Amino acid sequence: QQQVKQSPQSLIVQKGGISIINCAYENTAFDYFPWYQQFPGKGPALLIAIRPDVSEKKEGRFTISFNKSAKQFSLHIMDSQPGDSATYFCAASPTWNTGNQFYFGTGTSLTVIP
Amino acid sequence: SQTIHQWPATLVQPVGSPLSLECTVEGTSNPNLYWYRQAAGRGLQLLFYSVGIGQISSEVPQNLSASRPQDRQFILSSKKLLLSDSGFYLCAWGRGLANYGYTFGSGTRLTVV
Repeated sequence: QQQVKQSPQSLIVQKGGISIINCAYENTAFDYFPWYQQFPGKGPALLIAIRPDVSEKKEGRFTISFNKSAKQFSLHIMDSQPGDSATYFCAASPTWNTGNQFYFGTGTSLTVIP
Repeated sequence: SQTIHQWPATLVQPVGSPLSLECTVEGTSNPNLYWYRQAAGRGLQLLFYSVGIGQISSEVPQNLSASRPQDRQFILSSKKLLLSDSGFYLCAWGRGLANYGYTFGSGTRLTVV
């Protein structure tokens, strides 16, 4: 059972456009929501994360929007650049989990066309 | 600062051969350690995690096993590889109860032929 559902599977955006990736979850115990960026042949790297006490977090061109009542969160990449072309994973974790396990979405392959 | 090392980067092994992938973490103590597998074009599948020396939790039944002989060392093994074991294997570490996200290693590309 997929704990975190991510869409779309792939995304093609023109340079300068906005990339939007969506995730949804069911487990209300989740309270930490990171996004990871993975380039081909590399391990995923933490990009940005949010806790449910805020509805939005922005770091540079990357913004997480969080809707607690809908149990949805999304990543917005403003002014998308070819260097942003990568696979993006959303994830979620409950703080009380001593194993600190994260549940990952299935990933979105983003291609930014010059 | 903390760093995570994973090796080898690439491995080609025949079916039926053994496997040993090693992961070590520096700059922290008592980390949570994880092994993930990523099939081509697929998401991240958690294989094993460990919250301490000798403590291994398995998420999926499979041909693989894991061990944690030292606090900052995590090993993924197999006695006999299957073709279906091919994939990109990632080691990661995280803190305890506080959620700071994972830090992933650079991965091992395993091809079983």
